[in-house]
Amino acid sequence: DAMVIQNPRYQVTQFGKPVTLSCSQTLNHNVMYWYQQKSSQAPKLLFHYYDKDFNNEADTPDNFQSRRPNTSFCFLDIRSPGLGDAAMYLCATSRDPGKGQYFGPGTRLTVT
Amino acid sequence: KQEVTQIPAALSVPEGENLVLNCSFTDSAIYNLQWFRQDPGKGLTSLLLIQSSQREQTSGRLNASLDKSSGRSTLYIAASQPGDSATYLCAAEYNFNKFYFGSGTKLNVKP
Repeated sequence: DAMVIQNPRYQVTQFGKPVTLSCSQTLNHNVMYWYQQKSSQAPKLLFHYYDKDFNNEADTPDNFQSRRPNTSFCFLDIRSPGLGDAAMYLCATSRDPGKGQYFGPGTRLTVT
Repeated sequence: KQEVTQIPAALSVPEGENLVLNCSFTDSAIYNLQWFRQDPGKGLTSLLLIQSSQREQTSGRLNASLDKSSGRSTLYIAASQPGDSATYLCAAEYNFNKFYFGSGTKLNVKP
């Protein structure tokens, strides 16, 4: 089945220790998104790629970086995680503008 | 700045009741409006997508409507079941691949 896959589902990291979250898709969609969602809040867009074109949200901290080496994969790097970065990280894809979004299961990040 | 609001924040109903969830958006220049379901600790599952040129979409017991001029969308759930208990989020898509989410309505359907 075509889908959006996120690995790992649960990630525990130490304060200040770099961590990478992974997202892959078999939908062949052009756009890939990373969102941060904290408890009982709306998902907050961090950045997105349209093909290889990177688009960063103005309020996304520099601590967050992303890479998209090919159409299928997108990575979220958190260079120095703080306690406030503990959240659910959601990856989503979209075929083209106006076609809606499709989400992966998320990665729950815990920072100790 | 585009804002999306969902009211109520939480809703509890007895099984079998029909219910309506509300979503409002400040900028009517949307591409589409999408409704999602989120179970605790899980990702978002797409329920219905309404294009800006459409007025409504239906899937099973779900019906979503869109009124761009008033900046509103509703999600109607018929004959609610305990398995419908979840958080329902709406998202408005705008130009440049931008999506804006509401904070969700947490639904509890009591057996």
